[in-house]
Amino acid sequence: EVQLVESGGGLVKPGGSLRLSCAASGFTFRSYPMNWVRQAPGKGLQWVSSISSSSTYIYHIDSVKGRFTISRDNAKNSLYLQMNSLRVEDTAVYYCVRENLLLGSGAADYWGQGTLVTVSS
Amino acid sequence: DIQLTQSPSFLSASVRDRVTITCRASQAISSSLAWYQQRAGKAPKLLIYGASTLQGAVPSRFSGSGSGTEFTLTITSLQPEDFATYYCQQLNSYPFTFGPGTKVDIK
Repeated sequence: EVQLVESGGGLVKPGGSLRLSCAASGFTFRSYPMNWVRQAPGKGLQWVSSISSSSTYIYHIDSVKGRFTISRDNAKNSLYLQMNSLRVEDTAVYYCVRENLLLGSGAADYWGQGTLVTVSS
Repeated sequence: DIQLTQSPSFLSASVRDRVTITCRASQAISSSLAWYQQRAGKAPKLLIYGASTLQGAVPSRFSGSGSGTEFTLTITSLQPEDFATYYCQQLNSYPFTFGPGTKVDIK
């Protein structure tokens, strides 16, 4: 059974840092690109970052470029999101998402339960 | 960046109704579109990929169509568990933007 379990969320002051982790199991992690998608309270979904299976290709949405860094450790079946210089508008539930390239250009076929990041003074 | 719009943003329907949601892209994206369902308090679930292919065990009352810039998600005979918010997502180019969502509520 595919499982994605996020951790590392919490309350942080503006300008602070957090590192999110996602533990993957039930599939060959090193074979899949992975994403982070976020959802602000009461709002819609926003794709944040993607990383290819071997970390060769990395993409971030413009609003987090220079502040967030996606990374992975295939030996540990783990995905990470280092978030620096956090802003109030980064407050959201952050989902770890598996991208499946066999599904029409890479649809997100498995999602974690999400971890809440709250940026507030 | 490719922008997606969805219409309607909200719809009220009854069980067994037929429902259609439209997603429009700001530029052509071929068939690189997915649809997701999100129930309250839950993570999104993939329904359709490649604009029209049903994922896994998704019930056949769900269907998708379209290519280029206009896409539709249709639910025939709405069931109680289908009351949720639906999002489209383009996978043609980064950033992989989502539509703003369509909330389907009980009439």
